[in-house]
Amino acid sequence: AQKVTQAQTEISVVEKEDVTLDCVYETRDTTYYLFWYKQPPSGELVFLIRRNSFDEQNEISGRYSWNFQKSTSSFNFTITASQVVDSAVYFCALSEYNFNKFYFGSGTKLNVKP
Amino acid sequence: NAGVTQTPKFQVLKTGQSMTLQCAQDMNHNSMYWYRQDPGMGLRLIYYSASEGTTDKGEVPNGYNVSRLNKREFSLRLESAAPSQTSVYFCASSEDSTSNQPQHFGDGTRLSIL
Repeated sequence: AQKVTQAQTEISVVEKEDVTLDCVYETRDTTYYLFWYKQPPSGELVFLIRRNSFDEQNEISGRYSWNFQKSTSSFNFTITASQVVDSAVYFCALSEYNFNKFYFGSGTKLNVKP
Repeated sequence: NAGVTQTPKFQVLKTGQSMTLQCAQDMNHNSMYWYRQDPGMGLRLIYYSASEGTTDKGEVPNGYNVSRLNKREFSLRLESAAPSQTSVYFCASSEDSTSNQPQHFGDGTRLSIL
């Protein structure tokens, strides 16, 4: 069965601190996709990144970076020098290839205080 | 650039009433989805449609029906609303069910059932 676990329910940091959001997934598929989405207080869902199961290269986009490790079934997300605008709920998600189903974690609420 | 449009944005129903949530996308996407978001549980897939004329059950389909009216529109119907269906409902679309392009989400419908 497919499952995504985000063990951190809520994290609070002070602005400019680095923070890592954890994501652990379970799947029997060899081909799959992993995603991160951001949901700010306004409620919309914003796509951040997609990674396929064959690409374990870490990715950096500005202050955001992602660490994908198949050996530990993890896809962690780090925000460097956090800002108040980063305050949101962040969701990790898993998609089965060819099954058209997405499985979301329960989300991590990030509070960045000034 | 409307993207994915959901109507209504808010609705209050009484137990037993019926309701149809509307969703339309203008990106010519093949695949469309309905999710519900409950506190602490992330998003759970209710139904999806890989193409016009096809629909399939997701993780939590009980109590819901869907219609893929045409390529643009995908509606979700509650025939006899129950308090357990109080939730935020998100519609999403993506380019192709096998390409796993990022999903584009609507702004959500906040549904309360008394």
